[in-house]
Amino acid sequence: EAQVTQNPRYLITVTGKKLTVTCSQNMNHEYMSWYRQDPGLGLRQIYYSMNVEVTDKGDVPEGYKVSRKEKRNFPLILESPSPNQTSLYFCASTPFAEGRSEQFFGPGTRLTVL
Amino acid sequence: GENVEQHPSTLSVQEGDSAVIKCTYSDSASNYFPWYKQELGKRPQLIIDIRSNVGEKKDQRIAVTLNKTAKHFSLHITETQPEDSAVYFCAASIGLLFNKFYFGSGTKLNVKP
Repeated sequence: EAQVTQNPRYLITVTGKKLTVTCSQNMNHEYMSWYRQDPGLGLRQIYYSMNVEVTDKGDVPEGYKVSRKEKRNFPLILESPSPNQTSLYFCASTPFAEGRSEQFFGPGTRLTVL
Repeated sequence: GENVEQHPSTLSVQEGDSAVIKCTYSDSASNYFPWYKQELGKRPQLIIDIRSNVGEKKDQRIAVTLNKTAKHFSLHITETQPEDSAVYFCAASIGLLFNKFYFGSGTKLNVKP
């Protein structure tokens, strides 16, 4: 089944404890992106990647890191999480090579930083 | 950067009526405008999109219009049904391959049976 998966789906952690949220897609999509969703603010883009080893900042990259070593994986790293990073996080991928612009979203990861 | 504003934040309509959600954007370089529907507890899903070289696009009960001069675009849902109840997000994308996205704050649509 073609899909975008994220792990973990729920995470409660404490300030300063490094964490990684994984994102994987099995559709061979070139483009992948991370968003955070907060009430009243819609989705805000954190980072995106056009292909392997090609990443760039979105609108709210502060406090986050990403890497794209393989086409299928695009992990989101919080080196020192803070309470203002408590949010719902979505990963998405897009098959640009197919001439399509639709973003396929993962199921989301709800992160709470205490 | 780009700023996308979406109105209204909530919209309540009677089943069978039409619903219109409007968005404005600030950067004339924006060239792709998708609309996503997000049901409660679910992930966003694309319902319709339009590129900057097109003024209108329709897909069954859903249509999107784009006015590049005024920098606004709208989602039109006709003959609304209870299953249309959800949060709708507009977005504007900048970049040769639509790589950078800016979303509106969302509209919660409630369709009353």
